[in-house]
Amino acid sequence: DTGVSQNPRHKITKRGQNVTFRCDPISEHNRLYWYRQTLGQGPEFLTYFQNEAQLEKSRLLSDRFSAERPKGSFSTLEIQRTEQGDSAMYLCASSFWGASTDTQYFGPGTRLTVL
Amino acid sequence: AQTVTQSQPEMSVQEAETVTLSCTYDTSENNYYLFWYKQPPSRQMILVIRQEAYKQQNATENRFSVNFQKAAKSFSLKISDSQLGDTAMYFCALVTQGGSEKLVFGKGTKLTVNP
Repeated sequence: DTGVSQNPRHKITKRGQNVTFRCDPISEHNRLYWYRQTLGQGPEFLTYFQNEAQLEKSRLLSDRFSAERPKGSFSTLEIQRTEQGDSAMYLCASSFWGASTDTQYFGPGTRLTVL
Repeated sequence: AQTVTQSQPEMSVQEAETVTLSCTYDTSENNYYLFWYKQPPSRQMILVIRQEAYKQQNATENRFSVNFQKAAKSFSLKISDSQLGDTAMYFCALVTQGGSEKLVFGKGTKLTVNP
């Protein structure tokens, strides 16, 4: 049973460029979450999907951010016109939503540095 | 809104000794779950222990146990027989049942186990 994977693990980009991250959840998990973690802080919720539907977005997710989960499997998070304030660790987590609340399992994260 | 507070930014313990990490939370919901996650340096976040709020019995996982005080909204983690591999950031997190079931994290406690 493979865990949650994320690619790339590190991304360095210049301000104003677009970046895209990918998350592959645990195969039977129907929920997928994106979180952002800045230095010295706990992760903060960005958005989540149930199957292919994006059901909630945090106010942290500005118009420059977009996320997709086209076939209910992997997900992508795109940041357009990156800013230095976007530098953070982007974490993906997945869970199985059913009769009770499931534990979320995290991927290794993508560390973004905007120069 | 839900909040999670970890009042100890850093702690240290000698190998083989016991340490307790503190966490308090606030929620108006009745159905919720509490978690402790561990994030080793440059490694991914992993689940340490989980507690269902409706259960009076404190959760235990090998050397890890919790002291769940529902009325006081307190959820501390006790690590017995500390090992060097326990060195990590520890995050307390809350999920309320229903809706997105997003995790709300505290700021974390950096635990160092000294040889």
